[in-house]
Formats: sequence, structure tokens, C-alpha cells
Amino acid sequence: DAMVIQNPRYQVTQFGKPVTLSCSQTLNHNVMYWYQQKSSQAPKLLFHYYDKDFNNEADTPDNFQSRRPNTSFCFLDIRSPGLGDAAMYLCATSGLGAGGPETQYFGPGTRLLVL
Amino acid sequence: GEDVEQSLFLSVREGDSSVINCTYTDSSSTYLYWYKQEPGAGLQLLTYIFSNMDMKQDQRLTVLLNKKDKHLSLRIADTQTGDSAIYFCADFSGGYNKLIFGAGTRLAVHP
Repeated sequence: DAMVIQNPRYQVTQFGKPVTLSCSQTLNHNVMYWYQQKSSQAPKLLFHYYDKDFNNEADTPDNFQSRRPNTSFCFLDIRSPGLGDAAMYLCATSGLGAGGPETQYFGPGTRLLVL
Repeated sequence: GEDVEQSLFLSVREGDSSVINCTYTDSSSTYLYWYKQEPGAGLQLLTYIFSNMDMKQDQRLTVLLNKKDKHLSLRIADTQTGDSAIYFCADFSGGYNKLIFGAGTRLAVHP
């Protein structure tokens, strides 16, 4: 089945220690998104790639970076995690298909814990 | 900016119908979505409706769209305990070129 995969599902890191979360997709979608979701809140868009074009949200802290080496993979790098960065991180993709190019399909998420 | 609002909590008895409501402000919506999120999981796309439609039915799910009032609803027939989750309404904003989410409605299904 075509899907969005996130690894790991749970990540524990130390305060200030860089961490990378990964996302891969088999949907061959050209757009990939990273969201941060804190408890009992809606997902908050951090940035997205339209093909190789990076689009950052205005309020995304510089501490958050992203890389997309190819169509299938996208990474979220947190350079110096703080306690406030503990959250669920969701990857999503969109592209041509049912529901139109705007319809986003989400992965299972990676829950980040910062000690 | 664009806004999506939904009630935060709904409690229903197993076997009854659930209706989750949502209002939005975007005049340039193309698609509107309902996502389901179970505890500790990602968002599952439940259904979507194109903005030129009034209704869409998919098995137990019925989506109603009132464009004049900018009101969207999701009806779940014969609600089961497995339907307990948070339901997010989302609107694709053409102006901001991104999904605008509501705060989510927590659906609790009791015997």
C-alpha cells in the first residue's frame, strides 16, 4: 500500500542535543510537509517542500531545519532541542490523485521527548 | 487570517448518530476535509468535499456543506466505540496555500 512512513515513532533526546526525524513516502507526491502538534492542539505547519523548493512558515523558529534529498525522503532537523520542542511531529504529503493536489496524507508521527 | 472553528467535545451513546460541526471563514476554499486522530497516532483522512458540492456520503459518513453560511458538518451513523477520537475539520486556504485546521472535536462514545 502506498503510504507515508515516519521513523522513529518515538525519539528521546537531551536538551540541546541535535536530533533528526525522518519521513519517507511511496505515494510519489511532489509536496512534503512537516507539522508540529502539541497536546490537545491542532497541527501547526512548520514548512513544506514543493518539489525541491523549500517554503518556511514565518513563525517557524530557526532551530528547525529541513532537508529533502529526493522525492521520497524528507528530514526534520532540530539543531538544539529545548523542553518546549517536545511534541508530536507529523509528516504529510500531497500531489496528484484523489481529492485534488491539495489533499494531504499524514504519516503516523514521531513523538519527541526532550530530557 | 483565515479561521476554522469547531466545538471541542461531543459525547454520544453507542449506536446513535454523531454530528460534528465546523465553521470557516475562507471564501476561496476548494476542498474541505475531515481528519480523524486516535491517541498517539497521526491524522487519518476520513473524507473530503469539493466546495461546489452540498453533500457527500461514504458508508457511515455524511458530509454536509452550506457554502452560504460557511458551515460544514460530519455525521457518523451508528457510532461505535472505535469512533472515539479527535476529529479535525480543515480547509485548504487558496490565499495562504495551506491547510487551516480547527482545534479538533473530541468524540467520546459511551455504552
